[in-house]
Amino acid sequence: ELKVEQNPLFLSMQEGKNYTIYCNYSTTSDRLYWYRQDPGKSLESLFVLLSNGAVKQEGRLMASLDTKARLSTLHITAAVHDLSATYFCAVRMEYGNKLVFGAGTILRVKS
Amino acid sequence: DTEVTQTPKHLVMGMTNKKSLKCEQHMGHRAMYWYKQKAKKPPELMFVYSYEKLSINESVPSRFSPECPNSSLLNLHLHALQPEDSALYLCASSQVRGQRNQPQHFGDGTRLSIL
Repeated sequence: ELKVEQNPLFLSMQEGKNYTIYCNYSTTSDRLYWYRQDPGKSLESLFVLLSNGAVKQEGRLMASLDTKARLSTLHITAAVHDLSATYFCAVRMEYGNKLVFGAGTILRVKS
Repeated sequence: DTEVTQTPKHLVMGMTNKKSLKCEQHMGHRAMYWYKQKAKKPPELMFVYSYEKLSINESVPSRFSPECPNSSLLNLHLHALQPEDSALYLCASSQVRGQRNQPQHFGDGTRLSIL
């Protein structure tokens, strides 16, 4: 059974600081996703990571994937208040269309 | 605005009522999904349809009945729900195969409250 662990579950950070969210998964997968969810809203796709060593960047967010370690990271650079949200990683089972989500990281950026 | 449209946005129903949630997409996706999300928790997969056929049922109670009438529509029929079924119900769609870099696209959800 595929298990996905995210940490930390809650992150309070000052504006301008850097931090990393970690996502570990337990079995082989062929792709990993990062989503953002604002309170009461739907999930917005941030990144799709397909292969070992993949790195993608969008603004102050950068995601990477190490398939050998079964680890993905979401790095936040010089955080701003607008980044406050819940961030989920999701791992696709190797066969089929099933996604398994991590528990989510609630990010609060304080000014 | 999302490309996956869900109606209604809010629904309050009694435990004896029958209601339906609706989901529509026009992106040509042939896989569609229902998820349930409780407050401060991740989405949990309920059902997956591929090419209008049910491919995954995550042991969901029979009081939830999915239907995929065509490639653009997905319904979730509700009957005799329990208070613990109150949650945000999210619909999503994706390519079945081919475009490996495409994520699942989520709708805004239906917030369901069972009295």
